[in-house]
Amino acid sequence: GAVVSQHPSWVICKSGTSVKIECRSLDFQATTMFWYRQFPKQSLMLMATSNEGSKATYEQGVEKDKFLINHASLTLSTLTVTSAHPEDSSFYICSARDRLAGGRDTDTQYFGPGTRLTVL
Amino acid sequence: LAKTTQPISMDSYEGQEVNITCSHNNIATNDYITWYQQFPSQGPRFIIQGYKTKVTNEVASLFIPADRKSSTLSLPRVSLSDTAVYYCLVGYRGGFQKLVFGTGTRLLVSP
Repeated sequence: GAVVSQHPSWVICKSGTSVKIECRSLDFQATTMFWYRQFPKQSLMLMATSNEGSKATYEQGVEKDKFLINHASLTLSTLTVTSAHPEDSSFYICSARDRLAGGRDTDTQYFGPGTRLTVL
Repeated sequence: LAKTTQPISMDSYEGQEVNITCSHNNIATNDYITWYQQFPSQGPRFIIQGYKTKVTNEVASLFIPADRKSSTLSLPRVSLSDTAVYYCLVGYRGGFQKLVFGTGTRLLVSP
């Protein structure tokens, strides 16, 4: 099946620094990727929709200047947490949708393994 | 986007069949029903997807009544490794629609 990877799998940084998280679709092309955040014992919360070659669409309440998203190719989207603070500590998960999935029996989003961010 | 309602938690024992029901009263004509499984500190994993009646794969079965206002994920003979959170989502399959996760059902399988 389709595989989505994330890098790094975990990161610890100091308050005020910026952290970049990569999301890659390994064996398929994804014009659209999604970024989620998940706090302990809670559900996934959609942060933004990443569109290849265009600006990301952010959900209400998500600061676009703080969470920078770049989707420069059909297999890579990056999320940069700028000036990170302890409250940004969370589990960040991306998902990707196969752009050629239309017409296939299973048309679904494939999720990455997640990135654990800890801001000290 | 259709809202889903699931039990917060369920308990079971190894070897039993587990049925998790999801309500989605406002499901649209083009919406599909998809179930994901998530283990701690991992991304969700696709389990099964369906539109109506019954769908079965090597992992689970999905039962959808004619009115499609609910669906039931059936896990046959669960094991300890099936302890996880299960999410039911509805959405339009044909486009690149964003998925909105509900609370999910936390399944605990005991020996």
